[in-house]
Amino acid sequence: AQSVAQPEDQVNVAEGNPLTVKCTYSVSGNPYLFWYVQYPNRGLQFLLKYITGDNLVKGSYGFEAEFNKSQTSFHLKKPSALVSDSALYFCAVRALSNDYKLSFGAGTTVTVRA
Amino acid sequence: GAGVSQSPSNKVTEKGKDVELRCDPISGHTALYWYRQRLGQGLEFLIYFQGNSAPDKSGLPSDRFSAERTGESVSTLTIQRTQQEDSAVYLCASSLRRTGPNEQFFGPGTRLTVL
Repeated sequence: AQSVAQPEDQVNVAEGNPLTVKCTYSVSGNPYLFWYVQYPNRGLQFLLKYITGDNLVKGSYGFEAEFNKSQTSFHLKKPSALVSDSALYFCAVRALSNDYKLSFGAGTTVTVRA
Repeated sequence: GAGVSQSPSNKVTEKGKDVELRCDPISGHTALYWYRQRLGQGLEFLIYFQGNSAPDKSGLPSDRFSAERTGESVSTLTIQRTQQEDSAVYLCASSLRRTGPNEQFFGPGTRLTVL
């Protein structure tokens, strides 16, 4: 079985401040990990993924995520948030042994205030 | 190139009616997925296709739900005798192939409202 937990329903930050969105996962064996963002009335957009190798993954729009195997976490970060980063963020996991099925977290709503 | 497209974008129907939702994947993507997103919740996996074969239908909520795919092209999700609890956004995604760390590309979704 595989699952994802996003412990925060909402994250509020001021523009220019660092942004962190938390994600922990549970999977048998090694994981593929993904972050997606969803803007209002739009589908999910891929931000970044962890496959193997360097624990720090850089993605679109200045986002990055750090894979921590011992803590089974894959937190999304951005050093300086923008108002336009306000959206719904989903973490997803897939076991390497699982061909296709992604398991998504419940999502975290990020609000960046000007 | 073109992304995943879905139609209609919005569908309002009466309880008991049948609805068909359409998905056009990215050209060349062999794998296609359907998800359901209820308000305030994450994505719920429904079904996936490899080509026109659906090896895993385990996520379909009931026998009122069915899906088919023509080759490696268009897919339709059909909900018969709709119920109010079917109200949700139905998202379609495609990926280049089933195996490997291929990210899924999502369409904009169809918002279904059952009155």
